[in-house]
Amino acid sequence: AQSVAQPEDQVNVAEGNPLTVKCTYSVSGNPYLFWYVQYPNRGLQFLLKYITGDNLVKGSYGFEAEFNKSQTSFHLKKPSALVSDSALYFCAVRDIRTDKLIFGTGTRLQVFP
Amino acid sequence: DTAVSQTPKYLVTQMGNDKSIKCEQNLGHDTMYWYKQDSKKFLKIMFSYNNKELIINETVPNRFSPKSPDKAHLNLHINSLELGDSAVYFCASSQYTPGEAFFGQGTRLTVV
Repeated sequence: AQSVAQPEDQVNVAEGNPLTVKCTYSVSGNPYLFWYVQYPNRGLQFLLKYITGDNLVKGSYGFEAEFNKSQTSFHLKKPSALVSDSALYFCAVRDIRTDKLIFGTGTRLQVFP
Repeated sequence: DTAVSQTPKYLVTQMGNDKSIKCEQNLGHDTMYWYKQDSKKFLKIMFSYNNKELIINETVPNRFSPKSPDKAHLNLHINSLELGDSAVYFCASSQYTPGEAFFGQGTRLTVV
């Protein structure tokens, strides 16, 4: 079965520092991977996706993610965190067999001024 | 214009009642979804419709019944509400399944 794991419930980072939110995946075949962000009391917003091509994917709000096949990871990164980046981040994978998006458990990012 | 809108935003109701949540998208997408997010923020798909046809029906109680009158609308009707149904329900749409999905703001359902 396809799945993603987000090993950290919370990530704390100081404003201006680089941030990484981790995601590992388990799929059969080629993975279709996504990152979404959820701000308080809001729905999820799409950030970026990896289907094929370059391992470094650039997305909204200055975020990027690196697809690493050997480590089965798709970590979300940003060179310089903003306080406004504080939110809940979800990694997701497309289940090819059922065509569903399967979400990770979410990582809460807290950026301190 | 809101891309995916759902109503109501908050719903407080008693056990045993029947309630509906409405969802509309103006993006011209073919596929719409209902997701449930529990108190621990776990997000799980419930249903998916493509062009008014049900394509994903997760293991949810049959008290939950989606209805898609046209491809721009996907409503969720819940019968005999239980305490455990309390959650935030999100509607979403995408052009390609599953692809990049656009989510509504959510409906916070509280069953008392």
